[in-house]
Amino acid sequence: DTGVSQDPRHKITKRGQNVTFRCDPISEHNRLYWYRQTLGQGPEFLTYFQNEAQLEKSRLLSDRFSAERPKGSFSTLEIQRTEQGDSAMYLCASSRLQGAFQETQYFGPGTRLLVL
Amino acid sequence: AQSVTQLDSHVSVSEGTPVLLRCNYSSSYSPSLFWYVQHPNKGLQLLLKYTSAATLVKGINGFEAEFKKSETSFHLTKPSAHMSDAAEYFCVVSDRAGNTPLVFGKGTRLSVIA
Repeated sequence: DTGVSQDPRHKITKRGQNVTFRCDPISEHNRLYWYRQTLGQGPEFLTYFQNEAQLEKSRLLSDRFSAERPKGSFSTLEIQRTEQGDSAMYLCASSRLQGAFQETQYFGPGTRLLVL
Repeated sequence: AQSVTQLDSHVSVSEGTPVLLRCNYSSSYSPSLFWYVQHPNKGLQLLLKYTSAATLVKGINGFEAEFKKSETSFHLTKPSAHMSDAAEYFCVVSDRAGNTPLVFGKGTRLSVIA
């Protein structure tokens, strides 16, 4: 069990470009979450998947954001036409839902995005 | 709806003295409560969690927290601070079934002075 991994760890892009981040959850974790953390704030929920189904999306997730988890394993988060306000740390977490209860969410190291 | 208020944005203690990080929560559901720690350039690490068992929860590195329903509080304590405890600490609430996402407080930065 190698933990949650995210790639890349850092990304610098110019305003208007598209970026894509990848998250590999802990194996056999059926839930996967994306959060965004801006400087001086706690992480804020963006979206989550149970297996390959995207079950909830936050109002923070504008039309420029899209997330997928095609085979219920890794997930990608794409931001189209990036804006300077998208600069943040993007965190991925995974957990296992067993029966009616969710186990602990384990977080990856994050992808730090800077939009110039 | 759920929310968390961390009452101090920054706490500074001397090494070897007690640590108290305060958290109040609001939840429409039976809550699960967590404390996560974030060291610079490292991922969030779970310190401890309360789900529904004992109200006094022991975590890693000597930290513990007490769930007080009457006060809607979940304060984090440690008897003796160590230099390595300097980090950002987040109080977090969720519903027990995990059907709502984690809601984080804004964080408390703990500084430990030698």
